[in-house]
Order: sequence, then structure tokens, then C-alpha cells
Amino acid sequence: AQSVSQHNHHVILSEAASLELGCNYSYGGTVNLFWYVQYPGQHLQLLLKYFSGDPLVKGIKGFEAEFIKSKFSFNLRKPSVQWSDTAEYFCAVSAGNNRKLIWGLGTSLAVNP
Amino acid sequence: EAGVTQSPTHLIKTRGQQATLRCSPISGHTSVYWYQQALGLGLQFLLWYDEGEERNRGNFPPRFSGRQFPNYSSELNVNALELEDSALYLCASSRETKMSETQYFGPGTRLLVL
Repeated sequence: AQSVSQHNHHVILSEAASLELGCNYSYGGTVNLFWYVQYPGQHLQLLLKYFSGDPLVKGIKGFEAEFIKSKFSFNLRKPSVQWSDTAEYFCAVSAGNNRKLIWGLGTSLAVNP
Repeated sequence: EAGVTQSPTHLIKTRGQQATLRCSPISGHTSVYWYQQALGLGLQFLLWYDEGEERNRGNFPPRFSGRQFPNYSSELNVNALELEDSALYLCASSRETKMSETQYFGPGTRLLVL
């Protein structure tokens, strides 16, 4: 069965620190990869997505992610976090022609000012 | 552009009752998806509707059902409620069924089963 794992459940950083959140998936075929974010009191919104082409994807608010097919990974990065990045981050995958999203359990990020 | 809307925001039911949750997609979106976010289990895919047809179904019992109306809005029905059905139910919508389309999420309906 397809699955998505996010390695870090809770991350605490100070402002200006660099961020990398891990995401690995299990599926051998074509995948579409997403990172969603949920800010406190708000609903899920898309940070970035990968479908094809350049494996380094840039999203909103300075986030980027790199698809490494050989490692089945799609890690999220940001060089310098801000207090406003405090949120829950979810990695999701859809496989092949199936539109359903398979989700990781999420990573709660707290950025201290 | 108005986002995905869901109603009600909160719903309290007792075991054995039925719950009906509603979702209105973004204008121009024809696909609607339902997900369950239960505590400790993360987001689980429930149902996908497109053009009025059920396209895919997650690993949930038949008492979870739904439909999509001609205006592309959707209902999720949960029959014979059980305590473990307590969760946040999220609706998402997207344009067409191309793989590149993003799913946009609503605020959710929080269902509590007592």
C-alpha cells in the first residue's frame, strides 16, 4: 500500500534558522508530490507541488522542495524561517492517475522570535 | 474568488444517528474530494466525485456515502455514527481531472459523536 512518512513530528527553531522537513513515500511508479501548510486558525493551503520537469520546485513564502526519485523523497526547505512560518506542514502524494492524496502525519513547526 | 465552503462548521451527534455534511466547491471546479482528519490518524481519503460520478473511494465502510449535485456541490453522509467517526471532515475541490490540478481545501466540519 502507498504510504507517506514525515520524519519530524515536532520541530522548534529560532528565527533565521534554516529548515528542512523530510518526506518519503512508498510507490514505485509516477507520483505527484505536494506540500501543504496549515497556519493556526486557517485551513490547508498549497505551499508547492511537483508533477514533472525540474526536480527543484519553488513555492510560496520562500519555500522550496527537491524531488529525489532514487530516494523516494520530497524534502521541504527554507533557508531562513520567520515567526510567521509557525504552522503544521503536510506532505502528500498522489500516485499514477489516481487523484486521491495520501498524506503524511504532518510536522508541527514552532518558530521562536 | 470565493474559496471552498463547508457547512456546518461543527456538528454534534449521538451514536447511531446520521450526519450530513455539505461542501460547495470553488466556482468552475468540477471535482470534489472528501477527507477525514481523525486525531492521531492524519488525513485519510474518503471519496472523490467528478461531474456527478463517484470516481474513487477510500478504505471506509459503506455507511460513509455521498453524492455530487448538478451544480457540483457535494454532500457527505455518515450513517449509524460510531464514536470513532469523531473527526474533522475536509472537502477539497479542483478543476477538471488533470493530474496537475491543485486541490483547494475548505475549513472543514468538525463532527463530534457522543
